[in-house]
Amino acid sequence: NAGVTQTPKFQVLKTGQSMTLQCAQDMNHEYMSWYRQDPGMGLRLIHYSVGAGITDQGEVPNGYNVSRSTTEDFPLRLLSAAPSQTSVYFCASREIADQPQHFGDGTRLSIL
Amino acid sequence: QQQVKQSPQSLIVQKGGISIINCAYENTAFDYFPWYQQFPGKGPALLIAIRPDVSEKKEGRFTISFNKSAKQFSLHIMDSQPGDSATYFCAAQNSGGSNYKLTFGKGTLLTVNP
Repeated sequence: NAGVTQTPKFQVLKTGQSMTLQCAQDMNHEYMSWYRQDPGMGLRLIHYSVGAGITDQGEVPNGYNVSRSTTEDFPLRLLSAAPSQTSVYFCASREIADQPQHFGDGTRLSIL
Repeated sequence: QQQVKQSPQSLIVQKGGISIINCAYENTAFDYFPWYQQFPGKGPALLIAIRPDVSEKKEGRFTISFNKSAKQFSLHIMDSQPGDSATYFCAAQNSGGSNYKLTFGKGTLLTVNP
């Protein structure tokens, strides 16, 4: 029973590099989302998807891209990493209806 | 504009005491209010949730109190235990919207001393 799986767990990047944070869920959930968590800022929504082929921006989308080609996967791409993107990133999924949102254990990203 | 305001930022309680965390919201369209618990190194996990048609919901030692007129809701942890030490987030959602986005508070770091 894997739930929401995020890889990698830790990553260090240099400014200007690009990378993709992976997220996969095995619960057949339609709704998936990406958050970043920074000290004292809570969880802020970056992008979300209500189903395969459908994505939309959240609260802090700049510098990030997403795509949703399958129900299971929802990767987050950093196009040109900046130190301000140093954060812990969480992927989450749930049913479209009012069901609990399941979170992965996060990717801790440092950008030098 | 912060739509969900959470307080306090941090809270220290003795074992056996009552922990109280408060949240206030602005958007009257919100109709689903969950609380999430997060342990270090882990993702948040749903603890308990309430809808505005009830004023209180209890699950074990955890209770949500909801005041619709004041647009406030709170989490009460009775008989707090060291194992309850975690960060707690309140959240709110407009279920009538098309995107089911959850808006989170900034979190409360709870420490329960033995």
